[in-house]
Amino acid sequence: SQELEQSPQSLIVQEGKNLTINCTSSKTLYGLYWYKQKYGEGLIFLMMLQKGGEEKSHEKITAKLDEKKQQSSLHITASQPSHAGIYLCGADIRANNLFFGTGTRLTVIP
Amino acid sequence: GAGVSQSPSNKVTEKGKDVELRCDPISGHTALYWYRQSLGQGLEFLIYFQGNSAPDKSGLPSDRFSAERTGGSVSTLTIQRTQQEDSAVYLCASSLSPTLDTQYFGPGTRLTVL
Repeated sequence: SQELEQSPQSLIVQEGKNLTINCTSSKTLYGLYWYKQKYGEGLIFLMMLQKGGEEKSHEKITAKLDEKKQQSSLHITASQPSHAGIYLCGADIRANNLFFGTGTRLTVIP
Repeated sequence: GAGVSQSPSNKVTEKGKDVELRCDPISGHTALYWYRQSLGQGLEFLIYFQGNSAPDKSGLPSDRFSAERTGGSVSTLTIQRTQQEDSAVYLCASSLSPTLDTQYFGPGTRLTVL
């Protein structure tokens, strides 16, 4: 069974629109990481959340962690073609073991 | 098996020794990635192989780190003269093609340098 579920699996948005990607864990989270994969590149680390209620932003990307719901959301404001890629969440579910979500493929139409 | 496999699962070594970590990607996957995860940190990209092209080594932290991929399949990550800061979980991933395909991760090798 998948310990981290992401939704949606695929997302197509018009440039300028806002969007949200969710990552839900079936187990207690000890840390939540967001990554982005671009064409032909390795995963790029976006941000890490460690405390319930924590919210971090980088440029137009904001991530929040809801510890009680065992869930994190990644929100992109005013999406641009450069935001296109696969977004992957990773979490510390057991000590020092990183588990990954199923990935969300984002397409931004100019 | 159908997934990415890595060996060994755990490796304890003494400072200054060389270590080799192995990754068997999913059959047919042309792209292979190495990452490491240090305690309490996210993944750190190390190196990327795509088919027979020259690998992207931009993430290797020092010249003590090197990697090979033989026959476009199995890959070996070698760390020479290991240091304590090399202690981490080393993860390998593979994907079907260089396009935006999901990366499938192996279980990792936990390296401890004493």
